[in-house]
Amino acid sequence: EEQLVQSGAEVKKSGESLKISCKGSARTFNNHFVGWVRQVPGKGLEWMGHIYAGDSDTRYNPSFRGQVTISADKSNRTAFLHWDKLRASDTAIYWCVRQQGSQWLAAFDIWGQGTVVSVSS
Amino acid sequence: STELTQPPSVSVSPGQTARITCSGDALSKQYGYWYQQKPGLAPVLMIYKDSERPSGIPERFSGSSSGTTVTLTISGVQAEDEADYYCQSADTIGTWVFGGGTKLTVL
Repeated sequence: EEQLVQSGAEVKKSGESLKISCKGSARTFNNHFVGWVRQVPGKGLEWMGHIYAGDSDTRYNPSFRGQVTISADKSNRTAFLHWDKLRASDTAIYWCVRQQGSQWLAAFDIWGQGTVVSVSS
Repeated sequence: STELTQPPSVSVSPGQTARITCSGDALSKQYGYWYQQKPGLAPVLMIYKDSERPSGIPERFSGSSSGTTVTLTISGVQAEDEADYYCQSADTIGTWVFGGGTKLTVL
């Protein structure tokens, strides 16, 4: 069964760049949409965007477009979330999620273990 | 923009039935999905396409849809069901939205 393993916790300062990763265990990784969900401490879930690893088709939540970049390395079955310049408001847990099937309109059936990002001002 | 509205909290005694609602215009055109999140853990998919239950999810969890509202029903609530529950749906431009979450308390 597919598992998503995310990179470890990060402690950064405002203005720094950051790239976190999410590696899939199954050969089917590239046949699914893989996305990112933000959860600010004590708050709810926010979908940031997703990518189809097979062809890098990417969609963003308008609230996050221009703030982050989602990419993938299909040869290594890995998805990435990148910030050019972090802000303190980016402090959150970031969940990597795989969607069922190969269509964008599919449930988030597998979640990574989460990556905690702490940004100080 | 698409919005989904959930009650902030629901309380129920063990063995009773809990119903958590989620309302939004998008739900009249798109499916609803439900996730359970316990403290410190990743969310878990509980219901997809309004009423489908993934393998491994107990039968006491069920989902339904009517108009612009989807409902998660937990029959015979157990202490272990205490968690935050989030509904989710999609909009027509290919993006996803979550409801604000409902904290289920088992008294």
